[in-house]
Amino acid sequence: TQLLEQSPQFLSIQEGENLTVYCNSSSVFSSLQWYRQEPGEGPVLLVTVVTGGEVKKLKRLTFQFGDARKDSSLHITAAQPGDTGLYLCAGDGSSNTGKLIFGQGTTLQVKP
Amino acid sequence: SQTIHQWPATLVQPVGSPLSLECTVEGTSNPNLYWYRQAAGRGLQLLFYSVGIGQISSEVPQNLSASRPQDRQFILSSKKLLLSDSGFYLCAWSSLRGPGNTIYFGEGSWLTVV
Repeated sequence: TQLLEQSPQFLSIQEGENLTVYCNSSSVFSSLQWYRQEPGEGPVLLVTVVTGGEVKKLKRLTFQFGDARKDSSLHITAAQPGDTGLYLCAGDGSSNTGKLIFGQGTTLQVKP
Repeated sequence: SQTIHQWPATLVQPVGSPLSLECTVEGTSNPNLYWYRQAAGRGLQLLFYSVGIGQISSEVPQNLSASRPQDRQFILSSKKLLLSDSGFYLCAWSSLRGPGNTIYFGEGSWLTVV
C-alpha cells in the first residue's frame, strides 16, 4: 500500500515568516500534486510536478519534486494571513490512473 | 469550461436511513469520476473510482456503494447509514490519463448521521 507522510500536521506562524511542508513516501509516484483547501470547500489544485528534481514556483510558493519521485516539499516565503488553510499533497501512484493517494494534510495558520 | 456540482451540500440523517449524494460534471466527456471522504481537517480517503458508465471500483470495504448511470453522473448511496458514515464527502473528476493527471473537486457534502 502506497502511503504519503506529510509533516508537520499543524503549523502556526507570524506573518512574514517562511515555512516548509514536507511530503514523503517509500514509493515512487508518477506525479505529485499540492492542493489548498478552505474549511467546508473542496481542495483547489496549486501545482502538479511530474519530473524528478522539478522545481515550480507560484508567486511566494516553491514546490519541489524529489529526484527519485518519492518526496516533495512546499516552501512559502513571507507567509501572509491569506495563506491560512489546509495544504494537501497527493500522489498518482501506478499507471497514471488518477487514483490519488493523499497525505494527512498540514493545517497552516498565519497570524497577522 | 468544465464544472462539477454535487448535492446536497449538507445532510443530517438518522442511523439506519438511506443515503443518496449526487454529482454531475459538465463540459467534458468520459471523465474519470471519484468519491472521497475526508475526516475533519485531514487528508482524503478514496472510496470509489469509475472510468466509465457502470464501471465502479471500490477502494475500501464499507457500508456505502456507488453507481454511474450516465457518463457524467456519479451517485454515492447507502441502504442503512451508520454513525461512522458521518463526514465530508467530495466528488471529483479528471480527464487526462497521462502523467500529471489533474483532479478537480466539487464543493463537498457534509453528512451528519445522528
